[in-house]
Amino acid sequence: DAGITQSPRHKVTETGTPVTLRCHQTENHRYMYWYRQDPGHGLRLIHYSYGVKDTDKGEVSDGYSVSRSKTEDFLLTLESATSSQTSVYFCAISESLQGAGEAFFGQGTRLTVV
Amino acid sequence: RKEVEQDPGPFNVPEGATVAFNCTYSNSASQSFFWYRQDCRKEPKLLMSVYSSGNEDGRFTAQLNRASQYISLLIRDSKLSDSATYLCVCLSGTYKYIFGTGTRLKVLA
Repeated sequence: DAGITQSPRHKVTETGTPVTLRCHQTENHRYMYWYRQDPGHGLRLIHYSYGVKDTDKGEVSDGYSVSRSKTEDFLLTLESATSSQTSVYFCAISESLQGAGEAFFGQGTRLTVV
Repeated sequence: RKEVEQDPGPFNVPEGATVAFNCTYSNSASQSFFWYRQDCRKEPKLLMSVYSSGNEDGRFTAQLNRASQYISLLIRDSKLSDSATYLCVCLSGTYKYIFGTGTRLKVLA
């Protein structure tokens, strides 16, 4: 299995509080992603990173920010959590310039905003 | 219209059966294609990449039809352990993965 660790694995937080999710990889892959998965929507891209300090928005980026200060770490921050951000969050990595471009996923973080 | 469409199922099949899933995609610029497997409350895991010439991995066969823009997955001799959701994924460029919502498979004893 690809070396991807997400923390925390589960979190319950109150509306309006800031939340940071962490993704750590040991594969030295260039690309890192944050997705959310909700019933009926599949996986949707929040933000992605193509290198240290290089990030860009995905299709559902409102209310989220990210940072990548080291190759191995990609942080997702909910500045002020809302109930609509209750979801399962997956981090993924890929090294698209080699091979067929497969992505590998972390185990996910279940976030509940109450 | 979704960029990647899959029949959500569930497909309920007996052990030993052969089952096939199809997936259609709308972006003709998609370059790479994959099937992922996702168990309940777990992360998606790569099942296989899909090549233009078609490819096989044990009981699993994947095919790509670029002209009609669909991808298929065939599972032969279904096992109880094959029960999962199968995600069709297209990659455009170097980072843009588009996921289908998945097809649920239940293999029955």
